[in-house]
Amino acid sequence: NAGVMQNPRHLVRRRGQEARLRCSPMKGHSHVYWYRQLPEEGLKFMVYLQKENIIDESGMPKERFSAEFPKEGPSILRIQQVVRGDSAAYFCASSPGDRADTIYFGEGSWLTVV
Amino acid sequence: GQSLEQPSEVTAVEGAIVQINCTYQTSGFYGLSWYQQHDGGAPTFLSYNALDGLEETGRFSSFLSRSDSYGYLLLQELQMKDSASYFCAVADAAGNKLTFGGGTRVLVKP
Repeated sequence: NAGVMQNPRHLVRRRGQEARLRCSPMKGHSHVYWYRQLPEEGLKFMVYLQKENIIDESGMPKERFSAEFPKEGPSILRIQQVVRGDSAAYFCASSPGDRADTIYFGEGSWLTVV
Repeated sequence: GQSLEQPSEVTAVEGAIVQINCTYQTSGFYGLSWYQQHDGGAPTFLSYNALDGLEETGRFSSFLSRSDSYGYLLLQELQMKDSASYFCAVADAAGNKLTFGGGTRVLVKP
């Protein structure tokens, strides 16, 4: 499967724990985007990364959230000290070029905070 | 910034035609994208219009009028499997992020 790979697909965390979501872009893609989707709502941009660089993090909450895309390995979205309001679907997408007009999404990681 | 407006819900019967309109406000426009998302699934790319006019891909077509800041997605010969949410989206001037509309939920009835 050469698509965008995300894991875990489903994650349950207790309040105060950390959540780590991983994303491997499509083969040949070096641009990664993270989006959050709350139940019954649209997709909200969080962050755009290239290898070893955060290009645009204007959608990231100021605290507890961080993202990275190291030289080797998948992109990681990290949520520290999770709260119930963090429960959502987190989608990763990738693109081959430096424009977001056409991006391809992974199957998502569903985070539930209990 | 970018903002997009689209209807929240549309209901139609199998075999019918549905048009989902999208109006947008954006600083620096390059094109309008459309995505389909089934419940519990991932958004799937459908089409991208950079130029005015109609783009046809099978039963789905997408139209853009840049002068009117308007586009639509046309779903023809509706099938039950077309029941899903459909999102229009535009990229910011730098191309760094895609901003999505609130989505139109299409319900296809037998």
